[in-house]
This record gives sequence, structure tokens and C-alpha cells, in this order.
Amino acid sequence: DAGVTQSPTHLIKTRGQHVTLRCSPISGHKSVSWYQQVLGQGPQFIFQYYEKEERGRGNFPDRFSARQFPNYSSELNVNALLLGDSALYLCASSLVVRGQIEQYFGPGTRLTVT
Amino acid sequence: AQSVTQLDSHVSVSEGTPVLLRCNYSSSYSPSLFWYVQHPNKGLQLLLKYTSAATLVKGINGFEAEFKKSETSFHLTKPSAHMSDAAEYFCVVMDSSASKIIFGSGTRLSIRP
Repeated sequence: DAGVTQSPTHLIKTRGQHVTLRCSPISGHKSVSWYQQVLGQGPQFIFQYYEKEERGRGNFPDRFSARQFPNYSSELNVNALLLGDSALYLCASSLVVRGQIEQYFGPGTRLTVT
Repeated sequence: AQSVTQLDSHVSVSEGTPVLLRCNYSSSYSPSLFWYVQHPNKGLQLLLKYTSAATLVKGINGFEAEFKKSETSFHLTKPSAHMSDAAEYFCVVMDSSASKIIFGSGTRLSIRP
């Protein structure tokens, strides 16, 4: 079985630009979460989507938005990029097993803003 | 409000000796707790999880963790370190709906030959 896939793997953008990151969950998983991991820190929760609806949001500005498609894949959009947006962006897909949530992470997209 | 604190940013042990990575949490309800490992340039891998069943949780690669409610701790241990255990380890607290997920700041584990 394919795991969580993310594209692209690496990306370089300029301040002020916009970026779209993509994630495909594990087959059968209906929930996708996005995280930002700045170098040397733990991942910070950005969004969680379930059945195309936003179910959770972290403490990120409105420049960050996301959506989930009918096939459960997801996009994370970031507008007006800042240097501080440079990070590894992780996607996780979730499955509820015996009432408990299990999250599986993708390899991430490394975004560099110059 | 939920929070998680990893008490050591860096732990260094000799190969073959025990490993202890410390994690304290704060939650207003019974949380789900997880440990993840991240090897350099790799994704996050689930080591183990606590979800209100047994307080001693066994994970992959010989790791285990004990949930202690009275101490609000969920420390990760391994009896004998292996060189391949060198990585970054994250303690995570999650509410039941996964709408609030908080990672600790991470503990870098180094293994001396």
C-alpha cells in the first residue's frame, strides 16, 4: 500500500509569492492534517480536514488556507510568503481504529522562501 | 488547555545502555499521547501510543512508555540503545477528535559507540 504522498518534495519561492502544497492520504483515510516544522522545532498544527470540512485550526494567520477534495486529497495554500514561512510542511492522514485516531505522516515538502 | 513539555533537548547515551526521554503533559481531560521518531531527512514514524487502555505501552524497536497520571508524565524508555536509535523524538498530545494536536519541542538522541 502507498503511504501518504506529498508534492513537491522541495520548493523555492520568493517573498510575496503564493504557494500550493499537495497531499494524498492513504487509501481509505478520510482525514488529513497539515503541520509546519521549522528547523530545530517540533511540528506545529495548522489544519485538520475530515470529509472535506475543516475540523481544527492551529494558530496561523489567514494567509494559510487549505481544502480537501472529494477523493480526500488536500491542498495547503500560503499567500504573501514571508521568510519565516520557510519550513518543512508535513501532511498526515488519519484513520479511526477501535475509536482511537492513528496518524500517518508523509515525507513532507521543504519550502524555502528567499 | 493542552500542552506538552519535553524536558531534555538533547540526550546522549552509550550503545547498549538504557534510554530515557522525558515528557510531561498538561490536559484538562484524558488525552491520547504519542511518541514519534524522525530520522534525518525522513518523515515522522509512530513509535507508540497511549489511549486510556494499559498504562504501560509497548512500541516498535523495543521502545516503551508508561503513562503516569499522578505525575502527568509519559516518558519513553528502551533497555538497550542501538546506533540506529539516533534520531529526533517527539512527544505528542491529542484530543479525542484530533482537532487539537500539540507536538513537544523534540529531544535529539545521540548514541556513543
